[in-house]
Amino acid sequence: ETGVTQSPTHLIKTRGQQVTLRCSSQSGHNTVSWYQQALGQGPQFIFQYYREEENGRGNFPPRFSGLQFPNYSSELNVNALELDDSALYLCASSYPGGWGEWSEQFFGPGTRLTVL
Amino acid sequence: KQEVTQIPAALSVPEGENLVLNCSFTDSAIYNLQWFRQDPGKGLTSLLLIQSSQREQTSGRLNASLDKSSGRSTLYIAASQPGDSATYLCAVSPYNNNDMRFGAGTRLTVKP
Repeated sequence: ETGVTQSPTHLIKTRGQQVTLRCSSQSGHNTVSWYQQALGQGPQFIFQYYREEENGRGNFPPRFSGLQFPNYSSELNVNALELDDSALYLCASSYPGGWGEWSEQFFGPGTRLTVL
Repeated sequence: KQEVTQIPAALSVPEGENLVLNCSFTDSAIYNLQWFRQDPGKGLTSLLLIQSSQREQTSGRLNASLDKSSGRSTLYIAASQPGDSATYLCAVSPYNNNDMRFGAGTRLTVKP
Protein backbone atom coordinates (compact mmCIF):
# COMPACT_ATOMS: atom_id res chain seq x y z
CA GLU A 1 0.00 0.00 0.00
CA THR A 2 1.46 3.37 -1.07
CA GLY A 3 1.34 6.15 1.49
CA VAL A 4 0.76 9.84 0.92
CA THR A 5 3.37 11.40 -1.35
CA GLN A 6 4.13 15.04 -2.07
CA SER A 7 6.20 16.82 -4.69
CA PRO A 8 8.46 18.62 -4.90
CA THR A 9 10.38 18.15 -1.66
CA HIS A 10 11.83 21.64 -1.66
CA LEU A 11 11.07 24.74 -3.68
CA ILE A 12 12.51 28.24 -3.82
CA LYS A 13 10.49 31.08 -5.37
CA THR A 14 10.64 34.85 -5.39
CA ARG A 15 7.99 37.22 -4.13
CA GLY A 16 5.13 37.70 -6.59
CA GLN A 17 5.59 34.35 -8.34
CA GLN A 18 3.10 31.51 -8.44
CA VAL A 19 3.64 27.96 -7.18
CA THR A 20 1.91 24.59 -7.52
CA LEU A 21 2.38 21.82 -4.98
CA ARG A 22 1.18 18.26 -5.55
CA CYS A 23 -0.13 15.50 -3.34
CA SER A 24 -1.04 11.90 -4.07
CA SER A 25 -3.43 10.43 -1.56
CA GLN A 26 -3.13 7.02 0.03
CA SER A 27 -4.82 4.23 -1.91
CA GLY A 28 -8.56 4.17 -1.25
CA HIS A 29 -8.66 7.69 0.23
CA ASN A 30 -10.93 10.21 -1.50
CA THR A 31 -10.35 13.19 0.80
CA VAL A 32 -7.29 15.44 0.85
CA SER A 33 -6.59 18.23 3.34
CA TRP A 34 -3.81 20.82 3.05
CA TYR A 35 -1.99 22.47 5.95
CA GLN A 36 0.59 25.23 6.24
CA GLN A 37 3.22 24.96 8.98
CA ALA A 38 5.33 28.04 9.64
CA LEU A 39 8.58 27.62 11.51
CA GLY A 40 8.03 26.90 15.20
CA GLN A 41 4.26 26.63 14.89
CA GLY A 42 1.70 23.90 14.52
CA PRO A 43 0.14 23.21 11.12
CA GLN A 44 -2.82 25.39 10.11
CA PHE A 45 -5.71 24.09 8.01
CA ILE A 46 -5.88 25.62 4.53
CA PHE A 47 -8.71 23.62 2.90
CA GLN A 48 -10.04 20.15 2.26
CA TYR A 49 -11.18 18.45 -0.94
CA TYR A 50 -13.70 15.61 -0.98
CA ARG A 51 -14.66 13.94 -4.25
CA GLU A 52 -13.15 16.80 -6.29
CA GLU A 53 -14.97 19.60 -4.46
CA GLU A 54 -13.79 21.98 -1.74
CA ASN A 55 -15.22 20.80 1.56
CA GLY A 56 -14.15 23.43 4.06
CA ARG A 57 -11.61 26.21 4.16
CA GLY A 58 -9.49 27.81 6.85
CA ASN A 59 -8.55 31.45 7.25
CA PHE A 60 -6.45 31.78 4.09
CA PRO A 61 -6.88 34.38 1.29
CA PRO A 62 -8.26 33.45 -2.15
CA ARG A 63 -4.78 33.41 -3.67
CA PHE A 64 -4.55 29.97 -2.04
CA SER A 65 -6.54 27.66 -4.28
CA GLY A 66 -6.71 23.97 -4.95
CA LEU A 67 -7.87 21.16 -7.16
CA GLN A 68 -8.65 17.52 -6.73
CA PHE A 69 -8.53 15.14 -9.67
CA PRO A 70 -10.63 12.04 -10.43
CA ASN A 71 -7.84 9.84 -9.05
CA TYR A 72 -8.11 11.90 -5.81
CA SER A 73 -4.67 13.43 -6.12
CA SER A 74 -4.61 17.13 -5.36
CA GLU A 75 -2.82 20.38 -6.11
CA LEU A 76 -2.32 23.46 -3.97
CA ASN A 77 -1.76 26.67 -5.94
CA VAL A 78 -0.51 29.87 -4.38
CA ASN A 79 -0.50 33.08 -6.44
CA ALA A 80 1.35 36.33 -5.78
CA LEU A 81 3.72 34.75 -3.30
CA GLU A 82 4.61 36.71 -0.18
CA LEU A 83 7.57 36.27 2.13
CA ASP A 84 5.23 34.97 4.86
CA ASP A 85 4.20 32.08 2.61
CA SER A 86 7.55 30.46 3.39
CA ALA A 87 6.56 27.31 5.27
CA LEU A 88 6.26 23.54 5.21
CA TYR A 89 3.12 22.54 3.31
CA LEU A 90 1.58 19.27 4.38
CA CYS A 91 -1.19 17.26 2.82
CA ALA A 92 -3.19 14.53 4.50
CA SER A 93 -5.58 11.96 3.07
CA SER A 94 -8.54 10.19 4.63
CA TYR A 95 -11.91 8.70 3.74
CA PRO A 96 -15.41 8.79 5.21
CA GLY A 97 -16.33 5.62 7.07
CA GLY A 98 -20.08 6.14 7.01
CA TRP A 99 -22.49 7.38 9.68
CA GLY A 100 -20.55 10.67 9.94
CA GLU A 101 -17.33 8.90 10.85
CA TRP A 102 -13.96 9.49 9.23
CA SER A 103 -10.77 7.52 9.04
CA GLU A 104 -7.53 8.72 10.55
CA GLN A 105 -5.73 11.35 8.48
CA PHE A 106 -2.41 10.17 7.06
CA PHE A 107 0.16 12.88 6.35
CA GLY A 108 2.69 13.19 3.58
CA PRO A 109 6.32 14.27 4.13
CA GLY A 110 5.62 17.86 3.13
CA THR A 111 6.98 20.41 0.67
CA ARG A 112 9.32 23.07 2.03
CA LEU A 113 8.61 26.37 0.25
CA THR A 114 11.03 29.28 0.59
CA VAL A 115 9.99 32.68 -0.77
CA LEU A 116 12.83 35.18 -1.28
CA LYS B 1 -13.29 28.62 17.80
CA GLN B 2 -11.18 25.65 18.87
CA GLU B 3 -7.81 26.50 20.38
CA VAL B 4 -5.18 23.94 21.30
CA THR B 5 -2.41 24.67 23.79
CA GLN B 6 0.60 22.55 24.64
CA ILE B 7 2.65 22.88 27.76
CA PRO B 8 5.60 23.01 28.17
CA ALA B 9 6.90 24.51 24.92
CA ALA B 10 10.25 22.80 25.48
CA LEU B 11 11.49 20.07 27.79
CA SER B 12 14.93 18.63 28.40
CA VAL B 13 15.34 15.44 30.41
CA PRO B 14 18.09 12.89 31.06
CA GLU B 15 17.81 9.50 29.41
CA GLY B 16 15.65 7.01 31.29
CA GLU B 17 13.23 9.49 32.79
CA ASN B 18 9.48 9.11 32.52
CA LEU B 19 7.79 12.26 31.28
CA VAL B 20 4.40 13.78 30.58
CA LEU B 21 3.43 16.18 27.83
CA ASN B 22 0.24 18.17 28.19
CA CYS B 23 -2.36 19.28 25.66
CA SER B 24 -5.51 21.30 26.33
CA PHE B 25 -8.34 22.31 24.02
CA THR B 26 -11.16 24.79 24.46
CA ASP B 27 -14.09 23.03 22.71
CA SER B 28 -14.95 19.56 24.02
CA ALA B 29 -17.02 18.69 20.90
CA ILE B 30 -14.24 16.75 19.22
CA TYR B 31 -14.29 13.64 17.06
CA ASN B 32 -10.82 12.49 17.97
CA LEU B 33 -7.46 13.63 19.31
CA GLN B 34 -4.16 12.62 17.80
CA TRP B 35 -0.56 12.85 18.96
CA PHE B 36 2.17 13.28 16.36
CA ARG B 37 5.93 13.31 16.36
CA GLN B 38 7.86 15.64 14.06
CA ASP B 39 11.60 15.52 13.50
CA PRO B 40 13.31 18.76 12.37
CA GLY B 41 12.33 19.70 8.81
CA LYS B 42 10.26 16.54 8.39
CA GLY B 43 6.58 15.62 8.12
CA LEU B 44 4.30 14.27 10.82
CA THR B 45 4.42 10.75 12.21
CA SER B 46 1.22 9.64 13.90
CA LEU B 47 1.83 8.17 17.34
CA LEU B 48 -1.58 7.62 18.90
CA LEU B 49 -5.17 8.41 17.98
CA ILE B 50 -7.91 8.52 20.62
CA GLN B 51 -11.54 8.56 19.53
CA SER B 52 -13.85 10.83 21.51
CA SER B 53 -15.48 7.80 23.17
CA GLN B 54 -12.16 6.44 24.42
CA ARG B 55 -10.17 7.37 27.52
CA GLU B 56 -6.69 6.23 26.53
CA GLN B 57 -4.50 4.49 23.99
CA THR B 58 -1.17 2.75 24.40
CA SER B 59 1.62 1.90 22.02
CA GLY B 60 4.86 0.53 23.39
CA ARG B 61 6.36 3.08 25.78
CA LEU B 62 3.70 5.66 24.91
CA ASN B 63 0.37 6.15 26.62
CA ALA B 64 -2.08 8.91 25.76
CA SER B 65 -5.13 9.80 27.82
CA LEU B 66 -8.13 11.92 26.98
CA ASP B 67 -10.49 13.76 29.32
CA LYS B 68 -12.92 15.35 26.91
CA SER B 69 -15.04 17.04 29.55
CA SER B 70 -12.08 18.98 30.92
CA GLY B 71 -10.50 19.50 27.50
CA ARG B 72 -7.24 17.80 28.34
CA SER B 73 -4.95 15.10 27.01
CA THR B 74 -1.60 13.86 28.23
CA LEU B 75 1.11 11.90 26.46
CA TYR B 76 3.17 9.77 28.82
CA ILE B 77 6.57 8.55 27.62
CA ALA B 78 8.19 5.86 29.74
CA ALA B 79 11.93 5.31 30.01
CA SER B 80 12.84 8.09 27.58
CA GLN B 81 15.65 7.56 25.08
CA PRO B 82 17.77 10.02 23.03
CA GLY B 83 15.90 8.80 19.94
CA ASP B 84 12.71 10.24 21.42
CA SER B 85 14.10 13.74 20.88
CA ALA B 86 11.66 15.52 18.56
CA THR B 87 8.71 17.91 18.62
CA TYR B 88 5.45 16.38 19.79
CA LEU B 89 2.20 17.85 18.47
CA CYS B 90 -1.35 17.18 19.53
CA ALA B 91 -4.30 17.86 17.25
CA VAL B 92 -8.07 17.65 17.60
CA SER B 93 -10.56 16.95 14.83
CA PRO B 94 -14.17 18.11 14.71
CA TYR B 95 -16.95 15.74 13.67
CA ASN B 96 -16.87 16.74 10.01
CA ASN B 97 -13.12 16.13 9.77
CA ASN B 98 -12.46 19.67 8.60
CA ASP B 99 -10.13 22.10 10.24
CA MET B 100 -7.93 19.78 12.28
CA ARG B 101 -6.51 22.07 14.98
CA PHE B 102 -2.94 21.66 16.17
CA GLY B 103 -1.05 22.89 19.17
CA ALA B 104 2.32 24.58 18.68
CA GLY B 105 4.10 21.50 19.99
CA THR B 106 6.49 20.54 22.77
CA ARG B 107 10.13 20.29 21.75
CA LEU B 108 11.62 17.36 23.68
CA THR B 109 15.33 16.77 24.15
CA VAL B 110 16.49 13.57 25.83
CA LYS B 111 20.14 13.77 26.89
CA PRO B 112 22.32 10.65 26.94
